[in-house]
This record gives sequence, structure tokens and C-alpha cells, in this order.
Amino acid sequence: QVQLVQSGAEVKKPGASVKVSCKASGYTFTGYYMHWVRQAPGQGLEWMGWINPNSGGTNYAQKFQGRVTMTRDTSISTAYMELSRLRSDDTAVYYCARAGYCSGGSCYSSGWFDPWGQGTLVTVSS
Amino acid sequence: AIRMTQSPSSFSASTGDRVTITCRASQGISSYLAWYQQKPGKAPKLLIYAASTLQSGVPSRFSGSGSGTDFTLTISCLQSEDFATYYCQQYYSYPPAFGQGTKLEIK
Repeated sequence: QVQLVQSGAEVKKPGASVKVSCKASGYTFTGYYMHWVRQAPGQGLEWMGWINPNSGGTNYAQKFQGRVTMTRDTSISTAYMELSRLRSDDTAVYYCARAGYCSGGSCYSSGWFDPWGQGTLVTVSS
Repeated sequence: AIRMTQSPSSFSASTGDRVTITCRASQGISSYLAWYQQKPGKAPKLLIYAASTLQSGVPSRFSGSGSGTDFTLTISCLQSEDFATYYCQQYYSYPPAFGQGTKLEIK
């Protein structure tokens, strides 16, 4: 079945960086965009950006530009999200989620998110 | 950016009740709307996309309607497993945006 499995929880100090992985299985990794969404404790969902696993192209939310980098390794069907210069308000659960697709030479980056990874808690604390 | 507003933010209901959650977009989004269910400590789960299309495997007691700026999620007969937080999401334009969530609690 289509599945996304994320790396484990992280604890980081302010100013450090964190890199979260998301391993896809059950579908053609390069055929769909991978998005990242975060959720602060007790809060709602916030979209961070996407990567096109086929081309490596990215699109980041304005809020995170300059601090976030999304990459992928197609040989192991894994996407990565790295967030730098961490602050306490970056404490959140980070999710990867599939949305959009490429077909017949055309690509559509937007859409509904399905499936989601199980989430990775990143705690930023001194 | 398009803003999504859900109402109510929370409410209590009983099993067997029919409940409706509303989502309003700050500008027209055609039918580019999805609904998710999230339980504590779990990732969101897709329920409905394209405003009214039920995702495979989702019980038929869930239904969605609306287009343009006003949308609703209806649960026709609440079951115990339906008590959760529900989010709407627009994918009409970037950035994708979620509503603030509606927490459905047991009365």
C-alpha cells in the first residue's frame, strides 16, 4: 500500500539545524510531489513547501524561504526537509504528505494531501 | 493568500447525532477543497476531496458539499470513532491553506 515513513523525533538547540526524512513506498516516487506541513503543539496545520522528486524543483512558503531546504534521493525513494536557524517556535510535528502528480509530460503540484507520514516531533530547546 | 475559516471551532455532540461543520474561503476556490480528520497524536486523514468526493475507504456517513466560498462537512450519524478534529484545506491557489480546525467532542 502507499505509505510514507518518517524519521524519528529530534531535540535541537536554538540556532541548530534539523533534517527530517520521509521514505515513500507503494507507488512511483518520481510521479508525485512531496509536500511538508507542520503543526505546532495544540495548533493547526501550516504548509511549508514542496519538492518535485522527478526534477528536484522546489517551492517554499514565503515564511520559510532562506531557512528551509527540501531535497530527495530517488535511489531510495526518500524526501528530506532541512530547517536551519531553529527557534523555539519551530517546535512542532513535521509531516510529509503526497499531493499533485506528473502525467503525460504535465505536472500539477497542488491538490489534496494523501497519504501523510506519521509525523516527526522536532523540539527546539536550550 | 486565501484564508479559510471554520465554524464552529469546537462543539459537543452525542453518538447518533447529525452534525455539520462549515468552512468559508476568503475568495472563491471553485471546488478545490479537501476535508481531513485528525485524532490526537496521529496524522491527518483525508476524508473528502474536490468538495464532495469521498476518499476510498471512508464511511458513507461522511459527505461534503459546496463550491465557491462556502462549504460544509456533514456526518449523518455520529459514531464514537468520529470524535476528532476536522480541518478543511483549499488547493485552488498557493499557498495551500487550512482552516483552524473544528474539535468535535462527546457530550
